Amino acid sequence: GAVVSQHPSRVICKSGTSVKIECRSLDFQATTMFWYRQFPKQSLMLMATSNEGSKATYEQGVEKDKFLINHASLTLSTLTVTSAHPEDSSFYICSASGAGVVFAEAFFGQGTRLTVV
Amino acid sequence: DAKTTQPPSMDCAEGRAANLPCNHSTISGNEYVYWYRQIHSQGPQYIIHGLKNNETNEMASLIITEDRKSSTLILPHATLRDTAVYYCIVRAAGNQFYFGTGTSLTVIP
Repeated sequence: GAVVSQHPSRVICKSGTSVKIECRSLDFQATTMFWYRQFPKQSLMLMATSNEGSKATYEQGVEKDKFLINHASLTLSTLTVTSAHPEDSSFYICSASGAGVVFAEAFFGQGTRLTVV
Repeated sequence: DAKTTQPPSMDCAEGRAANLPCNHSTISGNEYVYWYRQIHSQGPQYIIHGLKNNETNEMASLIITEDRKSSTLILPHATLRDTAVYYCIVRAAGNQFYFGTGTSLTVIP
């Protein structure tokens, strides 16, 4: 299947600082990227959907000023957690979907474990 | 919002077929059924998807009932590495993937 790479895989940051997570589609053009958050023993919760070149669409209850999403190219989307606090500690996962029938499914990155101390 | 219902957990003996059910009684005509799995602390892995016909690939088979209100994912010969949480998702092309609670499958030696 197609490859989606997420970086970093783990990050520890101090409370109040910002953290940027990158999501890259390595072998296809990702017209749409999705960002998820997953707390321990829970399912993935969709945070936002971004289409290349346009503003992200956030799910209800997700603060768009806190979770900044940029999807400036067909191979890269970034999620920036601004002014992170301990309650933002979570597993963040991106996925990418391309155009066309072959890419009807979405492919997921390996996730980023964020710990805010 | 997730539109699927799955049993929270299942066990399967190694080497046997694992049959994972999913109910999606409110599925719309243009929505596909997707299956993903997530091994602990990794991103979800795509398994298979289908619209109304049964599908098979190198990983699994997907059986969709004629009324499309339920489906079954079949892992023909389960191995220990198949232990994971399996998610059934219904989604129209181009729309978001909403995950439900999934089924935690444990393959027993």
